Amino acid sequence: SAVISQKPSRDICQRGTSLTIQCQVDSQVTMMFWYRQQPGQSLTLIATANQGSEATYESGFVIDKFPISRPNLTFSTLTVSNMSPEDSSIYLCSVVVDSGANVLTFGAGSRLTVL
Amino acid sequence: QKEVEQDPGPLSVPEGAIVSLNCTYSNSAFQYFMWYRQYSRKGPELLMYTYSSGNKEDGRFTAQVDKSSKYISLFIRDSQPSDSATYLCAMRLTGGGNKLTFGTGTQLKVEL
Repeated sequence: SAVISQKPSRDICQRGTSLTIQCQVDSQVTMMFWYRQQPGQSLTLIATANQGSEATYESGFVIDKFPISRPNLTFSTLTVSNMSPEDSSIYLCSVVVDSGANVLTFGAGSRLTVL
Repeated sequence: QKEVEQDPGPLSVPEGAIVSLNCTYSNSAFQYFMWYRQYSRKGPELLMYTYSSGNKEDGRFTAQVDKSSKYISLFIRDSQPSDSATYLCAMRLTGGGNKLTFGTGTQLKVEL
């Protein structure tokens, strides 16, 4: 199965700043997914990142707040813009490893704390 | 009402116990059902998945789906301290793209 590396693993950020999270996969994948895991909440899909096209955002998430890049088939970035304490969360990158059931594998996550 | 409901726990059991973890859901169109395990400061890792109704067994783990009741379960036999983690259920529609709908997770602690 794919191995996913995320950077940074954790960070403490100031209100109003932006932070970019990187996701590197050890094999080429068509789609990459960005999830958010807030304390006490379920994992929520932010967007799907496709190589060569605009990311597809889920309801409640917008490109201005969470711009995504997908320059090639092994790499993606998610930026959390103009952060507020409500953005404190774990952000996870994932890819499909079983195309039949669309089973996902996840990176270890990036834990952001916004002060 | 959330689409997927899962008791957050924490659930504490002695080593060797049989553990039952459960989720209920409201969307009868869900067809793929998955269980992920998440250790502290790690990403979720897939334990098992099933399609439609029925049981599936893998070692000490058994996944069960009852679509008539919209209820899924994960049983862990002979639980070990290494099973201490948060268990997330997830489900997907057939033809629903790649979007998974997750429960909030149940925190399990297996004590010596």
